[in-house]
Amino acid sequence: QSVLTQPPSVSAAPGQKVTISCSGSSSNIGNNYVSWYQQLPGTAPKLLIYDNNKRPSGIPDRFSGSKSGTSATLGITGLQTGDEADYYCGTWDSSLSAGGVFGTGTKVTVL
Amino acid sequence: QVQLVQSGAEVKKPGASVKVSCKASGYTFTGYYMHWVRQAPGQGLEWMGWINPNSGGTNYAQKFQGRVTMTRDTSISTAYMELSRLRSDDTAVYYCARDRLERLYGMDVWGQGTTVTVSS
Repeated sequence: QSVLTQPPSVSAAPGQKVTISCSGSSSNIGNNYVSWYQQLPGTAPKLLIYDNNKRPSGIPDRFSGSKSGTSATLGITGLQTGDEADYYCGTWDSSLSAGGVFGTGTKVTVL
Repeated sequence: QVQLVQSGAEVKKPGASVKVSCKASGYTFTGYYMHWVRQAPGQGLEWMGWINPNSGGTNYAQKFQGRVTMTRDTSISTAYMELSRLRSDDTAVYYCARDRLERLYGMDVWGQGTTVTVSS
């Protein structure tokens, strides 16, 4: 079971904006960097955001990340049909069983 | 270009072991941590552990300790993940992914995935 909670699904029309939340605790999001990944069907995950809010080269600025306390948010503006995918947050958990943790995943549907 | 190429699909019987390879190219292999992540059919991502290719140091998820071994061969820029005592619920796609440090700052390059099927 994942320790990071995401909504199972979000949807919006093309051109609109969606936000995906990722809720954790002080042992993970609260004290570590958050990254976000996009996974298209049948493919490997792709890094969208690292260090809470930085975009790798080649990722459009339609994708943004933020963090506040023990939660993080991914925003996607100008939604496109190609954005239809699963999205995961990830971070480190510094508890006794320290290790990487991912969110439960969110399916984005473009209506 | 920077890439990670993994070994091919495997079918194993319960109780057996599997060893997946991940060959790096286009960057300095010893300059990045290599993480292993798996995804069971229809499920989310699960972190398994990392290896520091420079030192050989490892850190495994508690769930897999005693069953997983991560190694590397710097002469051929290849990382390996071996999982033993396989069970049916180990059926998954296994990915390697590099990160600049150990704490999941952002895994920017992923392998294509290796499907491991455990079935009698």
